[in-house]
Parts: sequence; C-alpha cells; structure tokens
Amino acid sequence: KNEVEQSPQNLTAQEGEFITINCSYSVGISALHWLQQHPGGGIVSLFMLSSGKKKHGRLIATINIQEKHSSLHITASHPRDSAVYICAVMEYGNKLVFGAGTILRVKS
Amino acid sequence: NAGVMQNPRHLVRRRGQEARLRCSPMKGHSHVYWYRQLPEEGLKFMVYLQKENIIDESGMPKERFSAEFPKEGPSILRIQQVVRGDSAAYFCASSTSGTVNEQFFGPGTRLTVL
Repeated sequence: KNEVEQSPQNLTAQEGEFITINCSYSVGISALHWLQQHPGGGIVSLFMLSSGKKKHGRLIATINIQEKHSSLHITASHPRDSAVYICAVMEYGNKLVFGAGTILRVKS
Repeated sequence: NAGVMQNPRHLVRRRGQEARLRCSPMKGHSHVYWYRQLPEEGLKFMVYLQKENIIDESGMPKERFSAEFPKEGPSILRIQQVVRGDSAAYFCASSTSGTVNEQFFGPGTRLTVL
C-alpha cells in the first residue's frame, strides 16, 4: 500500500463544474502540498497546509489531520485547469512523498 | 525575484557518458531537494542538501549518482556512466531554512540517454 493515495486517478469534467480531488496518507506528516503539473512541464506549488483550509482564487484545499485526509477543490472549472494534480506529504525531515497524481481534463 | 533555476532544460547523453544537472535555488533559500520522475511514474525523493552538507540521501541510487551544494554556486546532481534507465525528468526544489517550509520547484531537466 502506497503511503499517499489519490483519487480519482483520472477525471474528466465539463467547463464550469465543481471538481474535488482526494488524498489520503498513512504516515505522520508535518505538512501537505498540492502541486500542479502540465504535460511536459514544470511543477507549480498550489498550496502547503498543515491544518484547516486555504483558498486561492478558484482553488480551495482542506486537510483533516486526525483522519489523514486532504481535498483539493476547483470551483467553476476551466479548460486551462487541465493538468496533473499531485498530493505530496512532508514527512518529518522535510522529505516529500508523492501521490501518483490525478489527471484532470476539463472540456469546453 | 527569480524562481528556482535549472539547467540545462534538456540533456541528451549516450550510454556511459556523464550527466551534470544544475540547480540554483531561489534567492534566500539555503535548502535544496532533488526529485526524479521516471516515465509514466510518480515523483520520488532523491536527496536533500544544505550548503556544503548532505542532510538526507536515502533516495539516491547507491552507485553512479552524487549530489553537492557548495558554498558558492549551484547545486549539482551528477550521474556517472549513464544508462537508459536514467532517462527521466529531474526536478530541483528549494526552501528557506527551518522546519515545515514550502518547497518551490524548478522547471526540471529532462535527461534522455541514447
């Protein structure tokens, strides 16, 4: 069993839909990152959080430390949101352990 | 304030050659991390460095791979005698000092071994 599990693996949505990507982890962590990667592209850090909820534009990230679960929400999705979204947990010692990623495609 | 810089962005090597990948952290960042993304696989931690120190190299292959972060200049990931299985995207990230600091990623170096 992987330390970090993401679901779904693939997600296709219509423009404007509300999107949720989930992340569960099995180890103790100091923080959790949500990252975005476009095909063949670099990695952008969307959020780092260790408790509660953060919001940036149309993106919202939540984390429940007791349940070892985090969600990334995208409101009013747009085709430019199409990318791979990666959950990464920071183990004690700053090392990141990554989920396999969720491939999101938003159709217009 | 420039972000994390990596060069080259693309590197082609023949089997048996050496590959040197460079990473310049963001201004004010003293911690550097190297990650590898093999084709069709997820990202994996390789090594964590501070200036002149290797903090955690638990993800580094035992042979042919080495990393350094000298007092002056960029961090270098060096792969000796490359093999086809080394073909991957190598990402560098940096953070400020202390615990629980956000890591910012560079654009990556895509290594192709012929």
